[in-house]
Amino acid sequence: DTGVSQDPRHKITKRGQNVTFRCDPISEHNRLYWYRQTLGQGPEFLTYFQNEAQLEKSRLLSDRFSAERPKGSFSTLEIQRTEQGDSAMYLCALTGDYGYTFGSGTRLTVV
Amino acid sequence: QQPVQSPQAVILREGEDAVINCSSSKALYSVHWYRQKHGEAPVFLMILLKGGEQKGHEKISASFNEKKQQSSLYLTASQLSYSGTYFCGTEPIPGTYKYIFGTGTRLKVLA
Repeated sequence: DTGVSQDPRHKITKRGQNVTFRCDPISEHNRLYWYRQTLGQGPEFLTYFQNEAQLEKSRLLSDRFSAERPKGSFSTLEIQRTEQGDSAMYLCALTGDYGYTFGSGTRLTVV
Repeated sequence: QQPVQSPQAVILREGEDAVINCSSSKALYSVHWYRQKHGEAPVFLMILLKGGEQKGHEKISASFNEKKQQSSLYLTASQLSYSGTYFCGTEPIPGTYKYIFGTGTRLKVLA
């Protein structure tokens, strides 16, 4: 039990399709972060929320990416018109007394 | 801006020690260390705060040199379970909890 659940675990999609990932914290957390990780690299910051407010977006997030946290609990990350370069692990993270707790991630493969 | 880690990779025998270094070109306010096993999310190991305070929940030690903008992770008497990729994460702006992760160090412990 990592404290944060992500769904789906794996997603294979055709180029040009839209995909949506979900992140569900098990308990209340003010701050929620999205990171992207490609093979062999460290996680890269995408965006974060303080409750329902999206406070920052990375330049990595093109207009095709959108994230929401409508009630300050779960969050969704949508990618429109997927490209092969979007293939990566998408990680959701929560802050706590002991650093980040990462979810298991959603591995996206764009074919 | 990405912290640079050294070495890039290291192979150890069980019981041997290792040091992983993390260097930043920016001032550091806190440093996280994570271990990631293949196909899994990163798992928090330790946080080091400006002023020397350390928090962690594993028997792994670390140091934080604010002047040199460096941190080192010390793995002593390594076990097979220590194998994985280690990432440092630095917080360029204190209080944001937004971390930039390092280049990673792959560590393999052999029996």
